Amino acid sequence: KAGVTQTPRYLIKTRGQQVTLSCSPISGHRSVSWYQQTPGQGLQFLFEYFSETQRNKGNFPGRFSGRQFSNSRSEMNVSTLELGDSALYLCASSLARAFGTEAFFGQGTRLTVV
Amino acid sequence: AQTVTQSQPEMSVQEAETVTLSCTYDTSESDYYLFWYKQPPSRQMILVIRQEAYKQQNATENRFSVNFQKAAKSFSLKISDSQLGDAAMYFCAYRRYTSGNTPLVFGKGTRLSVIA
Repeated sequence: KAGVTQTPRYLIKTRGQQVTLSCSPISGHRSVSWYQQTPGQGLQFLFEYFSETQRNKGNFPGRFSGRQFSNSRSEMNVSTLELGDSALYLCASSLARAFGTEAFFGQGTRLTVV
Repeated sequence: AQTVTQSQPEMSVQEAETVTLSCTYDTSESDYYLFWYKQPPSRQMILVIRQEAYKQQNATENRFSVNFQKAAKSFSLKISDSQLGDAAMYFCAYRRYTSGNTPLVFGKGTRLSVIA
C-alpha cells in the first residue's frame, strides 16, 4: 500500500511569488492535515481537510490556503511568499475523523524562499 | 491551549544501551492522546508509540516503552538496546480526545545520536 506522497520534494521560490504543494493521502484515507516545520517554531498545524471541507485551521495568515479534492488529494497554496515561509511542509493523512486515529506523514516538501 | 515541552534538545547513547527522552505537557483536559514520533534524516515522521490518557498501563512497542505519569503530566520515552537506526529527531505530541481529528501539538524535539 502506497504511503502519503508529497510533491514536489524540493522547491525554490522568490519573494512575492506564490506556490502550490500537493499531497496524495494513503488510499482510503479521507482526512488530510498540513503542518509547517521550521527550526525556530518547530511543528505547527496549518489546517485539516475532511471530505473536501476544512475542519480545523491553525494560526496562520490568510496567505496560506488549501483545498481537498473528491479523491482526497489535497493542495496547499501560499501566496505572496516571504522569506519566513521557508520551511518543511508536512502532510499527514488519517483513515477517518475518529478518536485518536493515527496520522501517517509524508516526507514533506522543502520550500526555500529567496 | 495545550503545550508540549521537551527539555532535552540533544541526547546521545551508546549502541545497545538504554536512553530516556523526557516530555511534559500542559492541559486542562482529562482525556487525550500522547504520541512519540521519530523523524530520521529522510524527514518522514514515523509513529513510535501512542498512549491513551484513560489507560493507566504504560504502552510498549518492542524496544520502546513509555513512562506515563498523568498527575505529573509527564510522558517519557525509553529506548532499550539502542541501535544505530534509532538515531533521529524524536517528537512528543498531544492530541485532544474528541471525535474529530484535532491537530497534533508537538514539542520542539530531541535529537538522539547513537554512538557505535
